[in-house]
Amino acid sequence: DLQMTQSPSSLSASVGDRVTITCRASQSISNWLAWYQQKPGKAPKVLIHKASSLESGVPSRFSGSGSATEFTLTISSLQPDDFATYYCQQYSFYPGTFGQGTKVEIK
Amino acid sequence: EEQLLDSGGGLVQPGRSLRLSCAASGFTFSNNGMRWVRQTPGKGLEWVSAISASGDSTFYVGSVRGRFTITRDNSKNMLYLQMNSLRADDTAVYYCAKEVAVVVGATHYYYMGVWGKGTTVTVSS
Repeated sequence: DLQMTQSPSSLSASVGDRVTITCRASQSISNWLAWYQQKPGKAPKVLIHKASSLESGVPSRFSGSGSATEFTLTISSLQPDDFATYYCQQYSFYPGTFGQGTKVEIK
Repeated sequence: EEQLLDSGGGLVQPGRSLRLSCAASGFTFSNNGMRWVRQTPGKGLEWVSAISASGDSTFYVGSVRGRFTITRDNSKNMLYLQMNSLRADDTAVYYCAKEVAVVVGATHYYYMGVWGKGTTVTVSS
């Protein structure tokens, strides 16, 4: 089965920091990767699809990159509203597989 | 605004049944495949079931196949998940989600563009 592995599982950062989260696929998924943000008690919200395409309305401080098996989500300058858990999801192979999540906490 | 409102969760005893509902608004419901995704602290996010836009095709994760049934009523913009023979490990927050299709040639790729707020299912005696 295709596995998605995120690192780190959690991180502490300060407002204004640059934050990078990595997602690795156990086999090539081309660029069929989405990133979701989830705040406590809320549903996930898609930020990025096709590895690097920003969803409408998502702040430009979020960016995605990568292809094949290695992907990154970068927040260029962390804002208070960004403290949340982030999930990657491959959708190259139906129905898709999620990573285990990365929790971004306040330092 | 595209919205999904999921409901129907609750506390149920093992072996019993529950039906989840999801009301869609703000988009042409009959144009999109739909999914149910569940979340537990231990297993994270897990796709449970999916249904095509027309309702002709359905898909299930192995652990629920034969126990859960996904259906939709495009005339009412409603999605359903009938859950039978519930087990303790079905305890989770269940979200309905709208598939967004990206078409490349004859191949479709789907991610989840809109999610409901979630409804909690607790299976316990």
